Amino acid sequence: QSALTQPRSVSGSPGQSVTISCTGTSSDVGGYNYVSWYQQHPGKAPKLMIYDVSKRPSGVPDRFSGSKSGNTASLTISGLQAEDEADYYCSSYAGDYTFEVFGGGTKLTVL
Amino acid sequence: EVQLVQSGAEVKKPGESLKISCKASGYRFTSFWIAWVRQMPGKGLECMGIIYPDDSDTRYGPSSQGQVTISADKSISTAYLQWTSLTASDTAIYYCAKSSNGRVFEVWGQGTLVTVSS
Repeated sequence: QSALTQPRSVSGSPGQSVTISCTGTSSDVGGYNYVSWYQQHPGKAPKLMIYDVSKRPSGVPDRFSGSKSGNTASLTISGLQAEDEADYYCSSYAGDYTFEVFGGGTKLTVL
Repeated sequence: EVQLVQSGAEVKKPGESLKISCKASGYRFTSFWIAWVRQMPGKGLECMGIIYPDDSDTRYGPSSQGQVTISADKSISTAYLQWTSLTASDTAIYYCAKSSNGRVFEVWGQGTLVTVSS
């Protein structure tokens, strides 16, 4: 059982927008503005897409955006493209004496 | 270019020992954390521990404490993950990742598949 809760799967058609949620507690997601999102294609290493809730690393398209409300963070992908089909994992800082906690992952299917 | 290159796949028997590596290049190795992240077959990600190579400050996740050893050799910019006695439940892909702050994993290695089977 993962520390953060994500939907198992979401889907959308090319050009549409999808949102993936990530629910934690006041001890992790709700307590800090330190949520990250990672994209993982099959057989590949994860790739950082969003950090500190809404910041994008250099090279990540602005179609990817992050937000947070209370204990739930969200990743929104607009203008869906075929190459966005992948697994997405959220993670959150959970305090000095614990570790980054991950969600169980969400499989995004582009129809 | 920042790169983390991990050692190759391993097949081991229960009870055997193993040390896998992660060689860094393209940045100052001693100034950034290295994390080890486990992905069991068909499952999600779990941070096992992190090390700051400059002073070898090492922290372990609750399920990893006492089960593995994380270390680093500054002279060759390489981090390690080590087991003394493997079990079947250690079968997984292990990734190393570079982090500026110990919590955001900015660059990942390609992963090392460890299979433990009798």
